[in-house]
Amino acid sequence: DVQLLQSGGGLAQPGGSLRLSCAASGFSFSNYAMTWVRQAPGKGLEWVSTLTDTFVTFSADSVKGRFTISRDNSQNTLYLQMDGLRSEDTAVYYCAKGHSSDAYDYWGQGTLVTVSS
Amino acid sequence: EKVMTQSPATLSVSPGERATLSCRASQEINDDLAWYQQKPGQAPRLLIYEASTRATGIPARFSGSGFGTEFNLTISSLQSEDFAVYYCHQYNNWPLTFGGGTKVEIK
Repeated sequence: DVQLLQSGGGLAQPGGSLRLSCAASGFSFSNYAMTWVRQAPGKGLEWVSTLTDTFVTFSADSVKGRFTISRDNSQNTLYLQMDGLRSEDTAVYYCAKGHSSDAYDYWGQGTLVTVSS
Repeated sequence: EKVMTQSPATLSVSPGERATLSCRASQEINDDLAWYQQKPGQAPRLLIYEASTRATGIPARFSGSGFGTEFNLTISSLQSEDFAVYYCHQYNNWPLTFGGGTKVEIK
C-alpha cells in the first residue's frame, strides 16, 4: 500500500525556520513528482511547491525565495525547508504524490505549522 | 494565474438526491482538472482526474464532465459519507490552483 508519513512542523517564531519531511513507501518514489499543498485554518487548499522526478522545481510566488523543496530518492523522502516564516504561513501542510495525470492520488496525513511570537 | 471559481459555496441536499457542483476556470485548461473530496480533519481524496476519469476505488455515483473552462462534478445519489467539502484543481499550467471549495451539507 502507498503510504506518505509526515513529520516535522510545530511552532515557530516569525522569521524562523522549520523543516517538514514526508517518508514514502509502497511505490517507486524516484519515478514520481511530489508536491506540498497547504491549508490555512478554516480555508481552502493552496499549492505550495512541486519537485518533479527529474528534479525540476516549481513554487508559488508566496513562498519563492523562502521555502525549498527537495527529495532524497535513496531515503524515499520529500522535504520542505521553510525559512523566513510569516504568520500567513500558518497552515496544515500536506505532501502529495503525483499521479500520471498530474493530479495527486495519495496524500500524507498533514502536519500543522504555526507561526506566532 | 488561472483562477478557479466554484459554485455554490454551500449545497444543501437530502440523502438519495442528486448533487451537481460547478467549477469555472478563468482561462482554458483543456481537461486538466481534478476533483477532490475532503472531510473534517482528513487529507483530501482524489475523486476525478482529466475532468471525467474516476480515480481508483471511487464509486460510480461520482462523475465528472466538462472541457475548457466549465466543469461539473455530479453525485447521482448522495450517501451519508458523501457530505464533505469538494475542491476542483487545475494542473494545466503553473502556478497550480484550486477552487475555493463547495461544502455539501445535509438538508
